[in-house]
Amino acid sequence: DGGITQSPKYLFRKEGQNVTLSCEQNLNHDAMYWYRQDPGQGLRLIYYSQIVNDFQKGDIAEGYSVSREKKESFPLTVTSAQKNPTAFYLCASRYSSNQPQHFGDGTRLSIL
Amino acid sequence: AQKVTQAQTEISVVEKEDVTLDCVYETRDTTYYLFWYKQPPSGELVFLIRRNSFDEQNEISGRYSWNFQKSTSSFNFTITASQVVDSAVYFCALSEGNNDMRFGAGTRLTVKP
Repeated sequence: DGGITQSPKYLFRKEGQNVTLSCEQNLNHDAMYWYRQDPGQGLRLIYYSQIVNDFQKGDIAEGYSVSREKKESFPLTVTSAQKNPTAFYLCASRYSSNQPQHFGDGTRLSIL
Repeated sequence: AQKVTQAQTEISVVEKEDVTLDCVYETRDTTYYLFWYKQPPSGELVFLIRRNSFDEQNEISGRYSWNFQKSTSSFNFTITASQVVDSAVYFCALSEGNNDMRFGAGTRLTVKP
């Protein structure tokens, strides 16, 4: 079935450690997105990519990095510079701006 | 800059009541798209509806209906005869031609039996 796969479902980070969240889609979508959701809060855009080898910062990009080497993949790295990384991270993709975004099941990141 | 406001943080109703979730948006573009998503307790976001700026026709899908009014920049969502399974967080979102999407803060709906 076509869809978006995020892994892992749960992730724990030690102090000073970088961690990478995986996002893969087989929907042939051009655009991919990363959002952060804190408890009781809405979605805040971290990064998005409209095409391979290109990406733009969202509202809260500091402490995060991404790459888009393949159309299907848009991994997010939470660096040690992100001092409050505990949150629920959602990846999404869509074909174009007039289409809805399709979301993965999310990754819950916590600090050890 | 585009902006989406969902002023209702939480709503609680008793089963079978009707409930309306408000969404107000801001944009300078004449072409834009509005969306509603549902986020159940499991966390994934489920797409409910898309509306483009040139189509103000209201839509009904079963117990769900949407009222789009450009004059007031609103895209409200009504659930008729609510059920416990409707309990979730509902997000309104706005998309313009630049291919990012902005979400409102969400409205948490609790339907009590």
